[in-house]
Amino acid sequence: DTGVSQDPRHKITKRGQNVTFRCDPISEHNRLYWYRQTLGQGPEFLTYFQNEAQLEKSRLLSDRFSAERPKGSFSTLEIQRTEQGDSAMYLCASSNHRVPFFGPGTRLTVL
Amino acid sequence: DAKTTQPPSMDCAEGRAANLPCNHSTISGNEYVYWYRQIHSQGPQYIIHGLKNNETNEMASLIITEDRKSSTLILPHATLRDTAVYYCIALANAGGTSYGKLTFGQGTILTVHP
Repeated sequence: DTGVSQDPRHKITKRGQNVTFRCDPISEHNRLYWYRQTLGQGPEFLTYFQNEAQLEKSRLLSDRFSAERPKGSFSTLEIQRTEQGDSAMYLCASSNHRVPFFGPGTRLTVL
Repeated sequence: DAKTTQPPSMDCAEGRAANLPCNHSTISGNEYVYWYRQIHSQGPQYIIHGLKNNETNEMASLIITEDRKSSTLILPHATLRDTAVYYCIALANAGGTSYGKLTFGQGTILTVHP
């Protein structure tokens, strides 16, 4: 399968712990996006990379959140000191020019 | 990007055509209309996009009015597996200086029933 992959698919953690998610985009896609989706809502944009450069961050991305794409290929999203409000589906998408394609998402549950 | 308006929910009988409307009255000349769908607990799935001409692919057809203020996504023979939330999104040309940040609304919950 050559689509966007995300790991893990599910994560359960206790409040205050740190978590890290990984996204592997479609090969040769230079654009990578992170979104967050809470229950009953559409996905909300978090941040965008073009190659290794992080070019935009949403106000939703508090200082507890950090994203990287060190070699312009895979990306990681880290949440420090998780809170119950961080419980959501975290989605990654990639594109070359016109059509962003999404991965299956990582569902985070903070207890 | 222009705001889009969709009905919150629609029903369709299996085997019949599902016609999902979308209003985007403030769409600008360089904004495409994109459609995605999301089946429960999965990532959004790209369906189709267009600028001003009608488009068709193996999944669906997209009909855009001449004034581009509205569009309709057509699933020609809906199946139970088409039950999902369908999102209509206006997005400036994702090439060039735009970078393809999608702004999702609430979408339309399509329920296909036997």
